[in-house]
Amino acid sequence: DQQVKQNSPSLSVQEGRISILNCDYTNSMFDYFLWYKKYPAEGPTFLISISSIKDKNEDGRFTVFLNKSAKHLSLHIVPSQPGDSAVYFCAATIGGGADGLTFGKGTHLIIQP
Amino acid sequence: DVKVTQSSRYLVKRTGEKVFLECVQDMDHENMFWYRQDPGLGLRLIYFSYDVKMKEKGDIPEGYSVSREKKERFSLILESASTNQTSMYLCASRTFSPSTDTQYFGPGTRLTVL
Repeated sequence: DQQVKQNSPSLSVQEGRISILNCDYTNSMFDYFLWYKKYPAEGPTFLISISSIKDKNEDGRFTVFLNKSAKHLSLHIVPSQPGDSAVYFCAATIGGGADGLTFGKGTHLIIQP
Repeated sequence: DVKVTQSSRYLVKRTGEKVFLECVQDMDHENMFWYRQDPGLGLRLIYFSYDVKMKEKGDIPEGYSVSREKKERFSLILESASTNQTSMYLCASRTFSPSTDTQYFGPGTRLTVL
């Protein structure tokens, strides 16, 4: 059973517009969420995270929103740039534990000129 | 900056061979992880370690083992490689505090088993 779901395998957005990537989770024990960006043949790069005690975290062009009641989080990228084209993974964990991250299957974001 | 290195970027092995994938981190982190990434499946946890000589099975440990003899080094071992172990293998090291919990990844090893 998939505990972290990214239901859009791909997303195409025009350069300069907002990109919104979505993620849903089922395990109510998760209390820390992360977004990673991955280029082909490279390791994932940490982008931004959010603790369940917050509903929003912002870092430059990236903002993550968390809706605990809906078990939903989203990553907003504004404005979208060509270098943002990559696969984005949503991940969740139980903070403070030593367990690994549980990842979604990823969304391939394509920024069109 | 956290640095996680993996011994090989690309590796080609034959079925039945024993394969060692090495990972080293330079930040004195206690927790280290091995994942594999496959198209359409995301990243899946194979094994993790929360201290020297300690190891725990992840979600897909079958066909793999690990070794953590030193804090900075975490090795993934394929005792007898099979074609279904062709994948991208990613090592991660974890830092955490009361307010943050983040894993940093190495560049990955693309393993092909023929």
